[in-house]
Amino acid sequence: QKEVEQDPGPLSVPEGAIVSLNCTYSNSAFQYFMWYRQYSRKGPELLMYTYSSGNKEDGRFTAQVDKSSKYISLFIRDSQPSDSATYLCALLEGSYSSASKIIFGSGTRLSIRP
Amino acid sequence: DSGVTQTPKHLITATGQRVTLRCSPRSGDLSVYWYQQSLDQGLQFLIQYYNGEERAKGNILERFSAQQFPDLHSELNLSSLELGDSALYFCASSVEPSGTYTDTQYFGPGTRLTVL
Repeated sequence: QKEVEQDPGPLSVPEGAIVSLNCTYSNSAFQYFMWYRQYSRKGPELLMYTYSSGNKEDGRFTAQVDKSSKYISLFIRDSQPSDSATYLCALLEGSYSSASKIIFGSGTRLSIRP
Repeated sequence: DSGVTQTPKHLITATGQRVTLRCSPRSGDLSVYWYQQSLDQGLQFLIQYYNGEERAKGNILERFSAQQFPDLHSELNLSSLELGDSALYFCASSVEPSGTYTDTQYFGPGTRLTVL
């Protein structure tokens, strides 16, 4: 079983729709949860991060973590064609003092139709 | 533009050969990370260096090695190349060695390696 499972998509939605992207994980030691966005032919860029269970909002983006269910989500409101990209969840064990390894999900390809 | 540069952008080579990928981190960043991204495996952490010293190791094959030089640029050496090594190789950099979520990793544009 993979440490992180993410539906690869592709997911295609009309402009303005609410998008829900999800990951499940198996290792309860993961403490930090991140979402990266990767445009075609580019490197990933950090979109959002969170440490605790609950919701974190940043503009049109909301990251949600449910540690009891080992489930993380990214919601995109009022989706725009410029949001079309691959979204990768990323999880991290460890503390500030430890050398850490980020485990990435396989990514979900998202396409927003104008 | 993340400020991380990688060369070359594309590399085509044959099985059994050896190649070197180069990465220059953002100005001021002491940590460099290498990742491999393939269609079937996704983005996989290979190795991390901090200020010239190896800090963490991921799923890096013995045929692969890396180093970080005094000027903080890093090189990833891939030898005895196999068809399955064809992938995008990303370098990322961060200020601190911890690699936690508060220490954002900035990714370069990647090097696309094709092994024929």
